[in-house]
Amino acid sequence: QSALTQPPSASGSPGQSVTISCTGTSSDVGGYNYVSWYQHHPGKAPKLMIYEVSKRPSGVPDRFSGSKSGNTASLTVSGLQAEDEADYHCSSYAGNNNLIFGGGTKLTVL
Amino acid sequence: EVQLVESGGGLVKPGGSLRLSCAGSGFTFSTYSFNWVRQAPGKGLEWVSTLSGDSRYIYYADSVKGRFTVSRDNARSSLYLQLNSLRAEDSAMYYCARESGGWSRDYWGQGTLVTVSS
Repeated sequence: QSALTQPPSASGSPGQSVTISCTGTSSDVGGYNYVSWYQHHPGKAPKLMIYEVSKRPSGVPDRFSGSKSGNTASLTVSGLQAEDEADYHCSSYAGNNNLIFGGGTKLTVL
Repeated sequence: EVQLVESGGGLVKPGGSLRLSCAGSGFTFSTYSFNWVRQAPGKGLEWVSTLSGDSRYIYYADSVKGRFTVSRDNARSSLYLQLNSLRAEDSAMYYCARESGGWSRDYWGQGTLVTVSS
């Protein structure tokens, strides 16, 4: 399977909202509600932010939300804060016990 | 507190071997499936392998099948990845990640760097 498609970069000013897309196919994103999003600050462990398209783990601020339409999933970060600046990676189950990731999006808080 | 700590990375020549380890703490290690995920420089994350808690189920990405072997020792709360026949394209930061519901990975280590170069 090919990697999921994410924009290489996204940006927004503090307090604004930004949405990051993650596009796959009907064999992965579109076929299962198993999309996850991870926040990754360089040099640190990736952190799970969203699972099963729109569920937030305990402790993740409700400023982070996920959705899906067809073969494209989205992560929206509302009320941007400086600490949100990081790389964001999406993943999706792709059948046959395979998991695929996107190429990652670098989010910059201006 | 859940912690995962990887070790064992380093510089190795093409065709060489390396064994990575991941030590877990703060939870009942044996009840979880684990993954190895890697990230090459400037690239996105790539799933490498999954191993169930009882080691009955093992899955590999096509890119590493036949060259990498995943295993675990639940008594030591440790996960391993044996990397053989290494290639330049295997150079990456290797992370271990605990599997959670909905094909998500809820805890990750900070990674161990593998560099394959002559």
